[in-house]
Amino acid sequence: EDKVVQSPLSLVVHEGDTVTLNCSYEVTNFRSLLWYKQEKKAPTFLFMLTSSGIEKKSGRLSSILDKKELFSILNITATQTGDSAIYLCAVPTSGTYKYIFGTGTRLKVLA
Amino acid sequence: DTAVSQTPKYLVTQMGNDKSIKCEQNLGHDTMYWYKQDSKKFLKIMFSYNNKELIINETVPNRFSPKSPDKAHLNLHINSLELGDSAVYFCASSQEFWQGRGGGGYTFGSGTRLTVV
Repeated sequence: EDKVVQSPLSLVVHEGDTVTLNCSYEVTNFRSLLWYKQEKKAPTFLFMLTSSGIEKKSGRLSSILDKKELFSILNITATQTGDSAIYLCAVPTSGTYKYIFGTGTRLKVLA
Repeated sequence: DTAVSQTPKYLVTQMGNDKSIKCEQNLGHDTMYWYKQDSKKFLKIMFSYNNKELIINETVPNRFSPKSPDKAHLNLHINSLELGDSAVYFCASSQEFWQGRGGGGYTFGSGTRLTVV
């Protein structure tokens, strides 16, 4: 059965810390992996990863994919209170274009 | 200028009622989706339409019926509401059905919080 597992489930850090969020997946016919940030309402798109080993970067956020070990990490450096959110990853299920989401990592950044 | 808009944002209704949630996107995207997010924040796809054609129909009760009058609109009608239907329902759209071509992933609406009492 296709699945997406994120860890940790929740994380509390202080401003300025660096965090690493994990997303592991088990699907066949992998195409891409997406990262989203969800604050109070709708998830907002962060990254789409399709190639192994190529880091994607946006400001203090970066992400990389390892297609051999079937996981991705999302790094946030110099965290700020505005980074507090749930971070979701999603992967299309085998042979379809339907994405399944992990349960998310709830990040709380304290001032 | 909202890209994906859903109405209503909040919906409180009694068991057994029938209700609809509307979704519209102005991004020119071909594909639209309905997702359900439960109390544990787990997002699960329900339906997907590509150019008004139903392409994903997950195992949801047939009390849920999506309707896409055109590719910019995807509505969700729910009959005989049950307590377990309480959740946040997200509409989303994407440029292509397959997002592996460098698309920007999904764009989500702000969600509709449905509470069945």
